Amino acid sequence: QKEVEQNSGPLSVPEGAIASLNCTYSDRGSQSFFWYRQYSGKSPELIMFIYSNGDKEDGRFTAQLNKASQYVSLLIRDSQPSDSATYLCAVMAGGSYIPTFGRGTSLIVHP
Amino acid sequence: SAVISQKPSRDICQRGTSLTIQCQVDSQVTMMFWYRQQPGQSLTLIATANQGSEATYESGFVIDKFPISRPNLTFSTLTVSNMSPEDSSIYLCSVSGDRGNEQFFGPGTRLTVL
Repeated sequence: QKEVEQNSGPLSVPEGAIASLNCTYSDRGSQSFFWYRQYSGKSPELIMFIYSNGDKEDGRFTAQLNKASQYVSLLIRDSQPSDSATYLCAVMAGGSYIPTFGRGTSLIVHP
Repeated sequence: SAVISQKPSRDICQRGTSLTIQCQVDSQVTMMFWYRQQPGQSLTLIATANQGSEATYESGFVIDKFPISRPNLTFSTLTVSNMSPEDSSIYLCSVSGDRGNEQFFGPGTRLTVL
């Protein structure tokens, strides 16, 4: 059974700090990796995707992938209170079109 | 990404009744998906809806309980039948992006069953 594990949190960081969100997955055949942000009462919003080992940066967000360790992370630099949300990790196997979602990590950025 | 709308945005229903949720996309998409998200939980895929064929249901979900229609490439409906309080949840439709990998979600329908 494919599993995607995330620490439920909450992860609390001060404004301006780097928030580090982690995700591990069980399926070694996974090829695509996604991070979604979900504000309370809202639907998930795709913020990052990564397919290759290494880092991918987009503004204040950096996704890091290590397939050997089956580990993907999301770094948020200069965290803002508006970043407070639940972050869902999703993983998709090669040839599949259906991702497996983790339970999400709650992030709280306090002023 | 596609713009996705859902109706209704929320509803409160009585036990034993049925509710049909509509999902409309502003562009043609091949694959549409229906998810459920229960309070404090992650997303659980109910079924994949392709135009012109029967929906494909995930383990634990059956057509009699969650019938799905997909009459064209921009529209789908999910019906929650014979509802019980355990069906109280957020129901989300999603579509695949142009690359076919990432998924984009509609705003969701918050269902409460009394």
